[in-house]
This record gives sequence, C-alpha cells and structure tokens, in this order.
Amino acid sequence: GAGVSQSPRYKVAKRGQDVALRCDPISGHVSLFWYQQALGQGPEFLTYFQNEAQLDKSGLPSDRFFAERPEGSVSTLKIQRTQQEDSAVYLCASSLGGRAVWFQETQYFGPGTRLLVL
Amino acid sequence: GNSVTQMEGPVTLSEEAFLTINCTYTATGYPSLFWYVQYPGEGLQLLLKATKADDKGSNKGFEATYRKETTSFHLEKGSVQVSDSAVYFCALSAGAGGTSYGKLTFGQGTILTVHP
Repeated sequence: GAGVSQSPRYKVAKRGQDVALRCDPISGHVSLFWYQQALGQGPEFLTYFQNEAQLDKSGLPSDRFFAERPEGSVSTLKIQRTQQEDSAVYLCASSLGGRAVWFQETQYFGPGTRLLVL
Repeated sequence: GNSVTQMEGPVTLSEEAFLTINCTYTATGYPSLFWYVQYPGEGLQLLLKATKADDKGSNKGFEATYRKETTSFHLEKGSVQVSDSAVYFCALSAGAGGTSYGKLTFGQGTILTVHP
C-alpha cells in the first residue's frame, strides 16, 4: 500500500496569491493532521480531522488558513492572500484513529509541500 | 501547555561512536513519547515510541526509556553508522482524556552527522 502523498512538492507563490495544498492519506486512516515546519524547527500542529469532521483547528495561525476533508479521505489546506511568513514546509500525517488509543498511535507523514512566498 | 526540549545540535560523531540525544518534556497527565527521524530527502518516519512510564522503545539499534521521574526520553545508540546521519525529533502526544486527539508536540530537532 502506498504511504501518505502530498502535492505539489514545491510551490512558489507571489505575496497575496492563494494556494491549495493536497494530502492523500493512507487508505482507511480515520485521523488526518496538518503541521507546519519552519526552517530549522520542529513541526507545529495546525489542524486535525476525524473522517470529514474538523475537530481541532486551534493551530491555524490566522483566518487566512482553511482546511477541508469533505469525503473523509483527501484533504486540502488552503492559504489565502499568502504572506512571506507563510513560507514553510507543510506536512500531512494520517493514523488509524482508534478512539481508545489515539494518543498512542503512530502517525505516518507525507513528504511535505515546501511553500515559498516571494 | 505541552512542550519538548531537545539538546541543541548539530551533533557530529565518528562511525561506531556512542550516541545520546537528550529530550525532556513538560506535559499534563501521562503522554506517549516518540522519536521521529528524517533522513535526507525523505519524510518524517517513526523511529520508536513508548506509551507509559518505564517502557523502553527500541528499533534499528536505537533505544529510549520513558522516565517519568525526570520527564525525559533520551535517545541512545551504542555504535552509530554513517547511514544514521539524519535529523532526529523527539515528540509527545498528550495522554488519555482531554481533546488533544493525538496531535504531536515536537522538539526543535537535532541534526546528526556521522563520519566514516
């Protein structure tokens, strides 16, 4: 089975442009996470989906960031009116999502999308 | 809130040297602890994990023991290889209860370079 895939792998945007980043999780995985990784730093949580429900968006840095997972599989992270501080690697991860043990589960990460805002 | 602190790098070792990367954490309750590794040009992947106090996670010759009394999860390997060169991240997931849904809190990462 394939792992988590993300597209595009690289994106260059002009400041003010809107971008959309796609994540294809492992088939059957209930949980899906988005993280943002600045250069030289560890990933930071953005948002969490359980199937199609967005249960936690506490990490989204502003209302310019929007994520969806309408059918409980593929997810899209959209950034409106990009700013230079949005430049980072955006990571998607999925996990099985067993309710009783979600805090013990392994998350499987995609290769990331490197976003550069000029 | 939850936080993870890793020893600052980069760490440079000769092949067959002993490796320790320190990791300490702050969390409420009983978190699960993880080490993830990022090899050059690849995505993050789980190296090992421990889900309760005194558990030892191990994989590929790496080990880490969940020490609740010192809130630590130090990564060790007795004899490193050139192929171990990568970035290592310590992370935690808040324990049962609450609404963290398993989201990970990461340390800043430690770059390891192993020379022949």
